Amino acid sequence: EVQLLESGGGLVQPGGSLRLSCEASGVTFSNYAMSWVRQAPGKGLEWVAGISGSGYNTYSADSVKGRFTLSRDNSKNTVYLQMNSLRPEDTAVYYCAKFSSPHYPGAFDMWGQGTRVTVSS
Amino acid sequence: QLVLTQSPSASASLGASVKLTCTLSSRHSNYAIAWHQQPPEKGPRYLMKFNNDGSHTKGDGIPDRFSGSSSGAERYLTISNVQSEDEADYYCQTWGNGPVVFGGGTKLTVL
Repeated sequence: EVQLLESGGGLVQPGGSLRLSCEASGVTFSNYAMSWVRQAPGKGLEWVAGISGSGYNTYSADSVKGRFTLSRDNSKNTVYLQMNSLRPEDTAVYYCAKFSSPHYPGAFDMWGQGTRVTVSS
Repeated sequence: QLVLTQSPSASASLGASVKLTCTLSSRHSNYAIAWHQQPPEKGPRYLMKFNNDGSHTKGDGIPDRFSGSSSGAERYLTISNVQSEDEADYYCQTWGNGPVVFGGGTKLTVL
């Protein structure tokens, strides 16, 4: 059974940093591109960033470009989202999502349970 | 610009059928989409990928009550024999050469 387990969320002050992790199990991790999607309180889903299966190609939304960095360690079946210069508007539940192929973009076919990030002083 | 449009809300009686609509921007009317379900206070769940040739790939364990179809730029998710556990937000998702795009979501209320 494929599972995605996120961690690393929490409360951080504006301007601060956090690193989210998403560990996959039950899947040949390098065969799939991965992504982060967030959901602000009471709002819909917003794509944040994506990374190819090899890790060579990364993509990010304009709203986080230059502040968030996506990386992966295929030996650990883990994808990371380094979030710097955090703003109150980054407050959201962050979901890890798996693409259905090694290539970005495509359909998401598996989601994690989410980790909450709160940016507040 | 690649855009998906969904009605904010829909309702269906227990045991009835309901058809949710996701509309692609006119220049992207042949794009594939995916449907995701998000129950209250839970994370999203993949339902199916719907291709522009009409074929679709369902997620593991998704009941046959859930089906997809299309007409022009519109993509539909039909839920037959609606159950109480189907009350959720439903999002469509698509992709092009740039960012992944979500529709605004449709909140389905089961009466």
